[in-house]
Amino acid sequence: QKEVEQNSGPLSVPEGAIASLNCTYSDRGSQSFFWYRQYSGKSPELIMSIYSNGDKEDGRFTAQLNKASQYVSLLIRDSQPSDSATYLCAVKKEGSQGNLIFGKGTKLSVKP
Amino acid sequence: IAGITQAPTSQILAAGRRMTLRCTQDMRHNAMYWYRQDLGLGLRLIHYSNTAGTTGKGEVPDGYSVSRANTDDFPLTLASAVPSQTSVYFCASSALAGGGVTDTQYFGPGTRLTVL
Repeated sequence: QKEVEQNSGPLSVPEGAIASLNCTYSDRGSQSFFWYRQYSGKSPELIMSIYSNGDKEDGRFTAQLNKASQYVSLLIRDSQPSDSATYLCAVKKEGSQGNLIFGKGTKLSVKP
Repeated sequence: IAGITQAPTSQILAAGRRMTLRCTQDMRHNAMYWYRQDLGLGLRLIHYSNTAGTTGKGEVPDGYSVSRANTDDFPLTLASAVPSQTSVYFCASSALAGGGVTDTQYFGPGTRLTVL
């Protein structure tokens, strides 16, 4: 099993809809979870971090963490064409010297 | 404040040549990282440094070396480039040495390297 798994997509949603991006991880000792957005040809940009079970909201973005089920998700409400990008899930394992394990990313396309 | 700068932006290199990718951060972050990103493989850690004077190996360190003489700079050297090192290279940094639960990595703009 891969350490961090994401559906590669592409995930296509209409403008104004909710986009739901999912990520599962294998190490139960993982402590920190991050969502990065990466536009084509650009570097990853942090959009959300979450450390405790439950939901964390920031504007149109909501991160959800369920450690028992070992998944973390990102919801984007009122999706805009500018949200079209690849979304990377990253997990920090316990005792990993702070190093992140990245999923391969889900490509999101928001259609006008 | 520039954050993290990388140089060059892109480079075409003949196989067998030596190349150093530069990374500088002005955030006084303790930890720095080098990743490569390849289509279908995602971001993979090459080397990291938790503080000046120390370095560690990541997932794919072979063929690469790093040094950390000071807090700000973390160069990545390819001693003898091979075509399989064609990739996009990202430098990143985070505030805490050794990481912490809330420690967050921030990325530079990247270097696109082609080895022929």
